[in-house]
Amino acid sequence: DTEVTQTPKHLVMGMTNKKSLKCEQHMGHRAMYWYKQKAKKPPELMFVYSYEKLSINESVPSRFSPECPNSSLLNLHLHALQPEDSALYLCASSSGTSGRKQETQYFGPGTRLLVL
Amino acid sequence: AQKITQTQPGMFVQEKEAVTLDCTYDTSDPSYGLFWYKQPSSGEMIFLIYQGSYDQQNATEGRYSLNFQKARKSANLVISASQLGDSAMYFCAMREFSFGNQFYFGTGTSLTVIP
Repeated sequence: DTEVTQTPKHLVMGMTNKKSLKCEQHMGHRAMYWYKQKAKKPPELMFVYSYEKLSINESVPSRFSPECPNSSLLNLHLHALQPEDSALYLCASSSGTSGRKQETQYFGPGTRLLVL
Repeated sequence: AQKITQTQPGMFVQEKEAVTLDCTYDTSDPSYGLFWYKQPSSGEMIFLIYQGSYDQQNATEGRYSLNFQKARKSANLVISASQLGDSAMYFCAMREFSFGNQFYFGTGTSLTVIP
């Protein structure tokens, strides 16, 4: 099973709203990722959690706040977003070890976010 | 320098023909992995195929094969017998195993299969 789930599939929010994106995997993976993707562009890395600790933060504005409650769950809390934050937000996971095919990164279906 | 370069923004292929999508990479890590993903208009990134830097043979997965030329630092994806459902964005990616969990993506190639 290589399933990563994300909720919600679609989200429309105003600039003053607070919302959260959720991601879950049950593959025993120890690395989890948040990406932002604009249309026809590659995914841009936002955050990486390794063994439930934040290991990479790619200078993301503080209006995005990640949380990793346990090894299966990853949240992205959103507050006071801007219209330019509208994008597809992808969650991914990988085993977190090194050097093997099992290192493949598997993606969830994404959340399409529109900020009005 | 770009870690992954995909020089074909858009490609067209006739149904049932083969097509090659180009990918070159740059790394000093002797241990790395190369990945290809397909992203249809629905948005989900679908893993297609993997090649490890120490793998002796080119990877194959069904209609997908990876033409790995290590000395030239290229990892081209070959799709045989193209189908209409192959129309999508294709991304090449790399992970340097000595340097942590980050994956680097190319800019992608938009493939259109013509009936």
